[in-house]
Amino acid sequence: DTAVSQTPKYLVTQMGNDKSIKCEQNLGHDTMYWYKQDSKKFLKIMFSYNNKELIINETVPNRFSPKSPDKAHLNLHINSLELGDSAVYFCASRDTSGGPQETQYFGPGTRLLVL
Amino acid sequence: GNSVTQMEGPVTLSEEAFLTINCTYTATGYPSLFWYVQYPGEGLQLLLKATKADDKGSNKGFEATYRKETTSFHLEKGSVQVSDSAVYFCALENSGGGADGLTFGKGTHLIIQP
Repeated sequence: DTAVSQTPKYLVTQMGNDKSIKCEQNLGHDTMYWYKQDSKKFLKIMFSYNNKELIINETVPNRFSPKSPDKAHLNLHINSLELGDSAVYFCASRDTSGGPQETQYFGPGTRLLVL
Repeated sequence: GNSVTQMEGPVTLSEEAFLTINCTYTATGYPSLFWYVQYPGEGLQLLLKATKADDKGSNKGFEATYRKETTSFHLEKGSVQVSDSAVYFCALENSGGGADGLTFGKGTHLIIQP
């Protein structure tokens, strides 16, 4: 069973379009995250949600809007896509009630290419 | 704020060579420290971690020791294989429980030649 899954795996789209990436975890974790990995492989957190509530919102354009319909899902919607949004987006989850012994589990990534 | 600095590659070694990838960090309190590995075209896999000073994380022949005095978490392996070729990320997590997410270094691309 896949612990953290993302769909789609690949996404190719035109500038100006609106797209969504879905993330689901079946681990019963209370916190989910979105990270962006740019073309130089640099990874940076975008958002963190704990029990469906926004905890962290790093300096991300407001064209990016995360939505958490329940604890097991954290979707990422992107409006008016730009060339610079091309990247790999990783979803992750963690049980934050478990203390430092717990770790984050990452999804396989969604490779977004904006043309 | 938090930051992680690691040697940038690519690092090219011959098979069976000794590997060290340096990682230093800046953080308040007592963060947890991690090494993640990313194989070509794949996602992130946790390689090892340490949650307090002097802890040693180990997995698949890789080791790293949490050194608070030098704020370091260097990754080592005694004899690398071609299959170890990948990008390695050092990361930290605040001691506050993980809701803040991970702060990553820029990654080190490791290439092992037969």
